[in-house]
Amino acid sequence: QQQVKQSPQSLIVQKGGISIINCAYENTAFDYFPWYQQFPGKGPALLIAIRPDVSEKKEGRFTISFNKSAKQFSLHIMDSQPGDSATYFCAARKRGSTLGRLYFGRGTQLTVWP
Amino acid sequence: DTEVTQTPKHLVMGMTNKKSLKCEQHMGHRAMYWYKQKAKKPPELMFVYSYEKLSINESVPSRFSPECPNSSLLNLHLHALQPEDSALYLCASSPILTTDDTEAFFGQGTRLTVV
Repeated sequence: QQQVKQSPQSLIVQKGGISIINCAYENTAFDYFPWYQQFPGKGPALLIAIRPDVSEKKEGRFTISFNKSAKQFSLHIMDSQPGDSATYFCAARKRGSTLGRLYFGRGTQLTVWP
Repeated sequence: DTEVTQTPKHLVMGMTNKKSLKCEQHMGHRAMYWYKQKAKKPPELMFVYSYEKLSINESVPSRFSPECPNSSLLNLHLHALQPEDSALYLCASSPILTTDDTEAFFGQGTRLTVV
């Protein structure tokens, strides 16, 4: 059972546009929500992360919006660039986890056209 | 140093071969992980080590045998693999206690092809 649901599966955006990827979860034990960026042939790299006591977190062109009551969170990439073309995974981790186990969404393949 | 180093980067092995994947980190992390990732899929957790002891085994077939010889090294021994085991094998590490500043660092992966 997929504990974190991610959409869309693929996304095509024009350079300069806004990319939006959505994730949803059911387990209220999750308390840490990272986004990972993965380029082909590379390992995932942490992009930005949020805890549920914050509704929004911004780092440069990347923003996470978090809706605790709806159990949804999303990644917004402003002014999308061709170099942002990659696969993005949302993930979640349980409260009090002593092992940092991550539950991943299925991933979104983002293509930014020049 | 925030790197997790995996070797080799690429590996082609026959179904009767025995090979090992290696992972090394020097961040002082006491939790280390093996993930398997198929094309266009998310990483799937295989094993978790904490303090060099196996803590989680996600019902992985015995042809995959993990080993954690010390706090910096993690190995994955492979024997009698099947073609469907071809995938990107990722190693990751993190601190044991999860706090606001905790994150998991992933290696670049080993691209394994079983022929």
